[in-house]
Amino acid sequence: EVQLVESGGGLVQPGGSLRLSCAASGFTFSDHYMDWVRQAPGKGLEWIGRSRNKANSYNTDYAASVKGRFIVSRDNSENSFYLQMNSLEAEDTAVYYCARSAHDSSYYYFMDVWGKGTTVTVSS
Amino acid sequence: QSVLTQPPSASGTPGQRVIISCSGSFSNIGSETVNWYQQLPGTAPRLLIYSNNQRPSGVPDRFSGSKSGTSASLAISGLQSEDEAAYYCASWDDSLIAVVFGGGTQLTVL
Repeated sequence: EVQLVESGGGLVQPGGSLRLSCAASGFTFSDHYMDWVRQAPGKGLEWIGRSRNKANSYNTDYAASVKGRFIVSRDNSENSFYLQMNSLEAEDTAVYYCARSAHDSSYYYFMDVWGKGTTVTVSS
Repeated sequence: QSVLTQPPSASGTPGQRVIISCSGSFSNIGSETVNWYQQLPGTAPRLLIYSNNQRPSGVPDRFSGSKSGTSASLAISGLQSEDEAAYYCASWDDSLIAVVFGGGTQLTVL
């Protein structure tokens, strides 16, 4: 069964750091793009960043709102995907979802498997 | 202010057909494909439509997607109470080099 399980959320003070993890199983991890998406309380979905697959050298992309503060990374030997969050602000309070991306025959990508999410609260 | 524009709400009665729109620009919908996600209350999003009009296995054929120019639409026919959820469109933006989402449409089944 294809599965993604996030962990590492919690309460952190403004200016602090937190590292989220996403454990993947049931598929060839290195073949897939992996994404982080967040959802602030009562708000919509916001894409944060992506790690591309082995064929694309695991290159990363980021949303402008987090570039320079957040870092996505992956450990293909552990089938794990990470989000390092630094200089956290109250506005970063959200549920953070890990998602797998697949592609169609023309290499257009879509997030086809999602984890249940982990909650991050930034507050003093 | 989302890059893709969706109406914040939509509604219909059981059995009706509802259409949710998603408007973008040339750098996203105009040159990339559109995906739709459904988020039931208290749950993670799930893929509903990919590549403009393709349904993943397990998604009922009551759900359909289309794209024209810089706009896309999600149609739900034979509306059911369990369709009450938030719906999000998404696309890749070539200028931003980022995935962009619509603000989401909350569908109410009356």
